[in-house]
Amino acid sequence: AQKVTQAQTEISVVEKEDVTLDCVYETRDTTYYLFWYKQPPSGELVFLIRRNSFDEQNEISGRYSWNFQKSTSSFNFTITASQVVDSAVYFCALSESPNQGGKLIFGQGTELSVKP
Amino acid sequence: EPEVTQTPSHQVTQMGQEVILRCVPISNHLYFYWYRQILGQKVEFLVSFYNNEISEKSEIFDDQFSVERPDGSNFTLKIRSTKLEDSAMYFCASSEGNDYGYTFGSGTRLTVV
Repeated sequence: AQKVTQAQTEISVVEKEDVTLDCVYETRDTTYYLFWYKQPPSGELVFLIRRNSFDEQNEISGRYSWNFQKSTSSFNFTITASQVVDSAVYFCALSESPNQGGKLIFGQGTELSVKP
Repeated sequence: EPEVTQTPSHQVTQMGQEVILRCVPISNHLYFYWYRQILGQKVEFLVSFYNNEISEKSEIFDDQFSVERPDGSNFTLKIRSTKLEDSAMYFCASSEGNDYGYTFGSGTRLTVV
Protein backbone atom coordinates (compact mmCIF):
# COMPACT_ATOMS: atom_id res chain seq x y z
CA ALA A 1 0.00 0.00 0.00
CA GLN A 2 1.08 3.56 -0.55
CA LYS A 3 2.05 5.70 2.38
CA VAL A 4 3.81 9.00 2.92
CA THR A 5 5.33 9.91 6.26
CA GLN A 6 6.42 13.37 7.30
CA ALA A 7 7.74 12.81 10.77
CA GLN A 8 8.28 16.48 11.57
CA THR A 9 4.97 17.99 12.61
CA GLU A 10 6.31 21.47 13.27
CA ILE A 11 9.61 23.19 12.66
CA SER A 12 10.54 26.65 13.84
CA VAL A 13 13.60 28.49 12.53
CA VAL A 14 14.93 31.99 12.50
CA GLU A 15 15.11 33.84 9.23
CA LYS A 16 18.18 33.03 7.09
CA GLU A 17 18.59 29.59 8.60
CA ASP A 18 18.54 26.57 6.31
CA VAL A 19 15.84 24.02 6.99
CA THR A 20 15.19 20.51 5.69
CA LEU A 21 11.77 18.92 5.62
CA ASP A 22 11.80 15.15 5.59
CA CYS A 23 9.57 12.86 3.56
CA VAL A 24 9.63 9.06 3.51
CA TYR A 25 7.35 7.07 1.27
CA GLU A 26 6.22 3.50 0.76
CA THR A 27 5.07 1.97 -2.49
CA ARG A 28 5.20 -1.40 -4.21
CA ASP A 29 5.30 0.13 -7.67
CA THR A 30 8.49 0.74 -9.58
CA THR A 31 6.92 3.66 -11.40
CA TYR A 32 5.62 6.47 -9.25
CA TYR A 33 5.72 10.22 -8.83
CA LEU A 34 6.55 12.33 -5.82
CA PHE A 35 5.34 15.85 -5.17
CA TRP A 36 5.78 18.71 -2.76
CA TYR A 37 3.03 21.27 -2.13
CA LYS A 38 3.04 24.42 -0.04
CA GLN A 39 -0.09 25.49 1.82
CA PRO A 40 0.16 29.09 3.04
CA PRO A 41 -2.23 30.46 5.67
CA SER A 42 -4.65 31.42 2.89
CA GLY A 43 -5.28 27.70 2.41
CA GLU A 44 -4.62 26.96 -1.23
CA LEU A 45 -2.26 24.20 -2.34
CA VAL A 46 0.71 25.55 -4.25
CA PHE A 47 2.58 23.06 -6.42
CA LEU A 48 6.35 23.11 -5.86
CA ILE A 49 7.85 20.10 -7.60
CA ARG A 50 7.11 16.78 -9.26
CA ARG A 51 9.68 14.01 -9.60
CA ASN A 52 9.29 10.62 -11.23
CA SER A 53 10.83 7.49 -9.81
CA PHE A 54 13.33 7.13 -12.65
CA ASP A 55 14.92 10.49 -12.09
CA GLU A 56 17.06 10.56 -8.97
CA GLN A 57 18.87 13.74 -9.85
CA ASN A 58 18.64 16.38 -7.19
CA GLU A 59 16.91 19.56 -8.20
CA ILE A 60 17.51 23.13 -7.25
CA SER A 61 15.14 26.01 -7.85
CA GLY A 62 16.33 29.24 -6.31
CA ARG A 63 16.44 28.75 -2.54
CA TYR A 64 14.63 25.41 -2.80
CA SER A 65 16.31 22.07 -3.37
CA TRP A 66 15.13 18.50 -3.31
CA ASN A 67 17.04 15.33 -2.56
CA PHE A 68 15.50 12.13 -3.90
CA GLN A 69 17.03 8.85 -2.70
CA LYS A 70 15.32 5.65 -3.76
CA SER A 71 17.63 3.59 -1.57
CA THR A 72 16.07 5.15 1.52
CA SER A 73 12.66 5.93 -0.03
CA SER A 74 13.09 9.57 0.82
CA PHE A 75 12.35 12.82 -0.95
CA ASN A 76 13.57 15.61 1.29
CA PHE A 77 13.09 19.31 0.74
CA THR A 78 15.57 21.97 1.79
CA ILE A 79 14.99 25.70 1.98
CA THR A 80 18.19 27.69 2.04
CA ALA A 81 18.29 31.07 3.76
CA SER A 82 14.70 30.81 4.91
CA GLN A 83 12.43 33.84 4.83
CA VAL A 84 9.29 34.75 6.76
CA VAL A 85 7.26 34.24 3.58
CA ASP A 86 8.28 30.57 3.66
CA SER A 87 6.07 30.08 6.70
CA ALA A 88 3.45 27.55 5.65
CA VAL A 89 2.47 23.91 5.87
CA TYR A 90 4.38 21.76 3.42
CA PHE A 91 2.99 18.48 2.13
CA CYS A 92 4.82 15.65 0.45
CA ALA A 93 2.65 13.42 -1.77
CA LEU A 94 2.91 10.24 -3.81
CA SER A 95 1.07 9.02 -6.90
CA GLU A 96 1.57 5.56 -8.29
CA SER A 97 0.01 6.15 -11.66
CA PRO A 98 -0.68 9.77 -12.50
CA ASN A 99 -0.73 8.96 -16.22
CA GLN A 100 -3.71 6.69 -15.53
CA GLY A 101 -5.46 9.14 -13.26
CA GLY A 102 -4.09 7.69 -10.05
CA LYS A 103 -4.81 9.55 -6.84
CA LEU A 104 -2.38 11.54 -4.71
CA ILE A 105 -1.59 10.28 -1.24
CA PHE A 106 -0.46 13.06 1.05
CA GLY A 107 1.72 13.01 4.11
CA GLN A 108 0.58 14.63 7.33
CA GLY A 109 2.34 17.86 6.54
CA THR A 110 5.09 19.85 8.25
CA GLU A 111 4.25 23.28 9.58
CA LEU A 112 7.21 25.56 9.07
CA SER A 113 7.42 28.77 11.04
CA VAL A 114 10.13 31.22 10.07
CA LYS A 115 10.63 33.96 12.62
CA PRO A 116 12.25 37.31 11.83
CA GLU B 1 -2.27 29.68 -17.14
CA PRO B 2 -5.40 27.50 -16.97
CA GLU B 3 -7.00 27.20 -13.55
CA VAL B 4 -9.37 24.96 -11.70
CA THR B 5 -12.19 27.13 -10.34
CA GLN B 6 -14.15 26.27 -7.22
CA THR B 7 -17.29 27.94 -5.96
CA PRO B 8 -18.21 29.04 -3.40
CA SER B 9 -15.01 29.78 -1.51
CA HIS B 10 -16.83 29.44 1.79
CA GLN B 11 -20.17 27.85 2.59
CA VAL B 12 -21.98 27.62 5.88
CA THR B 13 -24.79 25.13 6.20
CA GLN B 14 -26.97 23.68 8.89
CA MET B 15 -26.52 20.08 9.96
CA GLY B 16 -28.75 17.79 7.93
CA GLN B 17 -28.89 20.07 4.91
CA GLU B 18 -27.68 19.09 1.46
CA VAL B 19 -24.77 20.97 -0.06
CA ILE B 20 -23.32 21.01 -3.54
CA LEU B 21 -19.74 22.09 -4.06
CA ARG B 22 -18.90 23.17 -7.57
CA CYS B 23 -15.75 22.94 -9.61
CA VAL B 24 -14.82 23.84 -13.15
CA PRO B 25 -11.81 21.71 -14.12
CA ILE B 26 -9.38 22.61 -16.86
CA SER B 27 -11.14 22.03 -20.16
CA ASN B 28 -8.82 19.46 -21.75
CA HIS B 29 -8.28 17.46 -18.58
CA LEU B 30 -9.65 13.95 -18.38
CA TYR B 31 -9.46 13.03 -14.70
CA PHE B 32 -11.20 14.83 -11.89
CA TYR B 33 -10.80 14.51 -8.15
CA TRP B 34 -12.16 15.65 -4.84
CA TYR B 35 -10.01 15.84 -1.73
CA ARG B 36 -10.88 16.85 1.80
CA GLN B 37 -8.80 18.53 4.49
CA ILE B 38 -10.18 18.74 7.99
CA LEU B 39 -8.71 21.75 9.77
CA GLY B 40 -5.14 21.11 10.85
CA GLN B 41 -4.98 17.69 9.26
CA LYS B 42 -3.66 16.21 6.05
CA VAL B 43 -5.28 16.31 2.64
CA GLU B 44 -7.30 13.14 2.07
CA PHE B 45 -8.45 11.61 -1.20
CA LEU B 46 -12.20 11.26 -1.60
CA VAL B 47 -12.93 10.24 -5.17
CA SER B 48 -11.63 10.22 -8.72
CA PHE B 49 -13.80 10.47 -11.83
CA TYR B 50 -13.03 9.52 -15.40
CA ASN B 51 -15.11 9.00 -18.50
CA ASN B 52 -18.28 9.99 -16.64
CA GLU B 53 -17.93 7.50 -13.87
CA ILE B 54 -16.18 7.05 -10.56
CA SER B 55 -12.82 5.37 -11.08
CA GLU B 56 -11.81 5.13 -7.44
CA LYS B 57 -13.20 6.20 -4.09
CA SER B 58 -11.94 6.14 -0.53
CA GLU B 59 -13.60 4.81 2.60
CA ILE B 60 -14.60 8.35 3.45
CA PHE B 61 -16.73 8.57 0.31
CA ASP B 62 -19.81 6.83 1.64
CA ASP B 63 -23.43 6.94 0.50
CA GLN B 64 -23.78 10.51 1.74
CA PHE B 65 -21.48 11.67 -1.04
CA SER B 66 -22.00 11.75 -4.78
CA VAL B 67 -20.24 13.32 -7.73
CA GLU B 68 -21.50 14.42 -11.07
CA ARG B 69 -20.32 16.09 -14.25
CA PRO B 70 -23.68 17.40 -15.36
CA ASP B 71 -22.81 19.48 -18.40
CA GLY B 72 -19.30 18.68 -19.61
CA SER B 73 -17.70 21.58 -17.78
CA ASN B 74 -18.78 21.50 -14.14
CA PHE B 75 -17.80 18.79 -11.67
CA THR B 76 -19.84 18.71 -8.49
CA LEU B 77 -19.61 17.08 -5.09
CA LYS B 78 -22.90 16.63 -3.26
CA ILE B 79 -23.21 15.85 0.42
CA ARG B 80 -26.78 14.73 1.05
CA SER B 81 -27.23 15.29 4.77
CA THR B 82 -24.32 17.16 6.26
CA LYS B 83 -22.86 16.30 9.63
CA LEU B 84 -20.70 18.44 11.88
CA GLU B 85 -17.70 16.29 10.97
CA ASP B 86 -18.10 17.18 7.29
CA SER B 87 -16.72 20.62 8.15
CA ALA B 88 -13.51 20.84 6.14
CA MET B 89 -11.78 22.39 3.17
CA TYR B 90 -12.74 20.57 -0.02
CA PHE B 91 -10.35 20.70 -2.92
CA CYS B 92 -11.15 19.86 -6.50
CA ALA B 93 -8.33 18.83 -8.83
CA SER B 94 -7.99 17.79 -12.45
CA SER B 95 -5.36 16.05 -14.53
CA GLU B 96 -4.61 15.31 -18.15
CA GLY B 97 -3.53 11.85 -17.09
CA ASN B 98 0.08 12.29 -18.08
CA ASP B 99 3.36 13.32 -16.53
CA TYR B 100 2.24 16.85 -15.83
CA GLY B 101 0.49 16.02 -12.61
CA TYR B 102 -2.49 17.66 -11.02
CA THR B 103 -3.98 21.14 -10.88
CA PHE B 104 -5.82 22.03 -7.68
CA GLY B 105 -8.54 24.59 -7.16
CA SER B 106 -8.37 27.09 -4.30
CA GLY B 107 -10.80 25.06 -2.22
CA THR B 108 -14.24 25.49 -0.68
CA ARG B 109 -14.33 25.82 3.08
CA LEU B 110 -17.46 24.08 4.30
CA THR B 111 -18.69 24.85 7.80
CA VAL B 112 -21.54 22.76 9.18
CA VAL B 113 -23.29 24.30 12.18
